[in-house]
Amino acid sequence: QQPVQSPQAVILREGEDAVINCSSSKALYSVHWYRQKHGEAPVFLMILLKGGEQMRHEKISASFNEKKQQSSLYLTASQLSYSGTYFCGTPPTGNTGKLIFGQGTTLQVKP
Amino acid sequence: KAGVTQTPRYLIKTRGQQVTLSCSPISGHRSVSWYQQTPGQGLQFLFEYFSETQRNKGNFPGRFSGRQFSNSRSEMNVSTLELGDSALYLCASSLTTGNTEAFFGQGTRLTVV
Repeated sequence: QQPVQSPQAVILREGEDAVINCSSSKALYSVHWYRQKHGEAPVFLMILLKGGEQMRHEKISASFNEKKQQSSLYLTASQLSYSGTYFCGTPPTGNTGKLIFGQGTTLQVKP
Repeated sequence: KAGVTQTPRYLIKTRGQQVTLSCSPISGHRSVSWYQQTPGQGLQFLFEYFSETQRNKGNFPGRFSGRQFSNSRSEMNVSTLELGDSALYLCASSLTTGNTEAFFGQGTRLTVV
């Protein structure tokens, strides 16, 4: 079951904050976040594990609420370099490299 | 260290033909996964290989197949190409399987005409 990301797209000014959500109708084992810039390969940001701590990548942090079956990605004081499409991926079982990705959230940061 | 290498970068094929795509993972990585990326369907999982064994297969027809060699290099093959197979095919390599960082290659852009 594909996780659902919201919003689908967001436009920000430099320095503004944004939140991207990733929700699933099934229990989540973990949530993986990737960013893909136009014409480039997806790049790993972080993994959120059950019972784990909130993670951080530069000024981007994420949380994982197991009960709500949801993860949120927080982009603080956005920089132009944050522009791209953000994907959350979830494994269907506990120990697999297979990820089911959400449809992506396109973030555009303007000067 | 060298990243994930996918070859070729671009391919144009005719309907009905077959194609083989190659992926060389990062040295020391034993897990390779393949994804198909299209504007309409997003990133869809194709296969996962670990130590030459297919561990998972996505919901794709039997025309899509793959394998992994003893040096962890992987190939995927698509036979009897259809127009709908046009996509960016991405390979991701990881040290092991499970909850671990995956490194994606630049992908192979396949166009079926």
